[in-house]
Amino acid sequence: GEDVEQSLFLSVREGDSSVINCTYTDSSSTYLYWYKQEPGAGLQLLTYIFSNMDMKQDQRLTVLLNKKDKHLSLRIADTQTGDSAIYFCAERESGGGADGLTFGKGTHLIIQP
Amino acid sequence: DAGVTQSPTHLIKTRGQQVTLRCSPKSGHDTVSWYQQALGQGPQFIFQYYEEEERQRGNFPDRFSGHQFPNYSSELNVNALLLGDSALYLCASSPETLYGYTFGSGTRLTVV
Repeated sequence: GEDVEQSLFLSVREGDSSVINCTYTDSSSTYLYWYKQEPGAGLQLLTYIFSNMDMKQDQRLTVLLNKKDKHLSLRIADTQTGDSAIYFCAERESGGGADGLTFGKGTHLIIQP
Repeated sequence: DAGVTQSPTHLIKTRGQQVTLRCSPKSGHDTVSWYQQALGQGPQFIFQYYEEEERQRGNFPDRFSGHQFPNYSSELNVNALLLGDSALYLCASSPETLYGYTFGSGTRLTVV
């Protein structure tokens, strides 16, 4: 079955880069997503990557995909206090049309001053 | 442009009762999905509606049912509530040609 794994916590200093890692098991995944959730809020789509891509950059965000190892990472450059949140990795299985996402349990990003 | 709107924001129900949650998708989106997020967990897919029909379903019992209306809005119904149904229920919408889902802020359901 599908499974997405993430580390539960990551602590970084303000101004440093944060790297959040994710592994997935479904080899038929076609889209992989990163969502951000702040306390008491819904999910905000940060970025996504197609499975035929290796890297995607969007301002401070860089997504790396190693399809062979089924490993996805999100790098946040120059981490700020406003980046403090829970980050979810999610995969979507190829199936035509719009399908349900499988999420990891989320990584709590903690920013140290 | 309003995003995904959900109502109510908070709800308290008693075990055994029934509940209806509502969702209006983002303008231009015709597909609505529902997710359950228990405390400390990632969201879990309940089901998805497109063209007023349930198109895909996750691993949830039949107590969970839904509906989509011609204007693409949707309802999630849960019957015979259990304490374990306490969670944040998230609605997400997307256009048929998918790049990403837009989530609402959720309905916090507490079953006592």
